[in-house]
Order: sequence, then C-alpha cells, then structure tokens
Amino acid sequence: DAGVIQSPRHEVTEMGQEVTLRCKPISGHNSLFWYRQTMMRGLELLIYFNNNVPIDDSGMPEDRFSAKMPNASFSTLKIQPSEPRDSAVYFCASSSSGGREAFFGQGTRLTVV
Amino acid sequence: KQEVTQIPAALSVPEGENLVLNCSFTDSAIYNLQWFRQDPGKGLTSLLLIQSSQREQTSGRLNASLDKSSGRSTLYIAASQPGDSATYLCAVTGANNLFFGTGTRLTVIP
Repeated sequence: DAGVIQSPRHEVTEMGQEVTLRCKPISGHNSLFWYRQTMMRGLELLIYFNNNVPIDDSGMPEDRFSAKMPNASFSTLKIQPSEPRDSAVYFCASSSSGGREAFFGQGTRLTVV
Repeated sequence: KQEVTQIPAALSVPEGENLVLNCSFTDSAIYNLQWFRQDPGKGLTSLLLIQSSQREQTSGRLNASLDKSSGRSTLYIAASQPGDSATYLCAVTGANNLFFGTGTRLTVIP
C-alpha cells in the first residue's frame, strides 16, 4: 500500500479564498483523523471519522472549517473563507480502528496570504 | 482531558551515545502508546506501538517501555547516529483520538 496520500503537498492562497485539502486513507482502514500542526500549538485533532461517519468534530476551530468523508477511500477538509491564521501543516491519518496504530500522510502545508 | 508531556524539549548528543527520551501522560486509561519520528518539513513516521497490556517493544536500536500505572513511557535509542536527528513525538491513544506530546528535538553530532 502507498500509505496515506494527501494532496496538494503545498497550497498558497489569498485570504478569503476557499481551500480544499484531500486525503486518501490506507485501504481497509476505517478510522480517519485530520490534524493541524503549528509551532505554537503542536498537533491538534480537528475531526475524527469512523466508518465514514464524523464521530468527534469538537476540534474544528469554527464554522469556516468543514470535513466530509463520502466513502471509505476519500476525505476532504475545506476552509471557506480562509484566513492568514489558518496557515499551518494539515495532516491526515488513518488506522484500522479506533485505538489502533495510526499512519500519517506527508501533510499539506497551507499558507494564506 | 489527557495531557502528554515530553522531556527534554531538545537534546544534543555525540554520535555513538545511548539516550533516553521521556513521555508522561495524565490518564492511564489508554488503548496504546505510539512513538513517532518527524523530520523537518515531513510527515510523522510510526516507530513503535505499545499496546496497553504490554510493557515494552523493540525495533532494531529502539526500545520503548510503558508503565501505565505511573503514566510514563521511555524511548531508548542505542548507539545513536546522525541520521537519528529528528523530532520524536509520543502519542497516547484513546477511542477517538491520539493525544500528542510536544516532542523532543534530537540532534546527534557526528
């Protein structure tokens, strides 16, 4: 398996624009996590899906953020409208079930100018 | 809420030394504990996973221990090499989350 695949690897956008980050989890994994990493706050969980259903979205910072998982092999994280403080590295991770070993993608580095 | 602390925040050692990284957590009700490595600008690479029922795991020069009752884990790296330079993160797993420490930035000096 190619591991967790995220796209794009880098994204630069202007404030106010919509940004969509994409994730393909490892085949057979039914748990998917979106994390955000910044120097100030480290790794923060944004949302957790199990069997394509959002279980915990308490980490989503505000209504500008939304995430979907339409099927077991694809998830998106959308920010609309984007703001400079959203600049961070966004990671997607998957595991075979809650509490099992998690595998991370290479991340998407988002810069909002 | 689970809190994970890693000490030290940064560590520099000469090549060849053995070293220990520390991780502590506040809630012992965990599923497992995972150690990751992160290189600058890269993603997280899983190094070792210790199930909550286990005491230790070994992979090559790495050995991780877990003491759930005291809320502690250590990552032991034997015969360190410059290629071990990276940030090491521990994460404790609950049902719906991995709770991360802030990491230890390791530099191995040739």
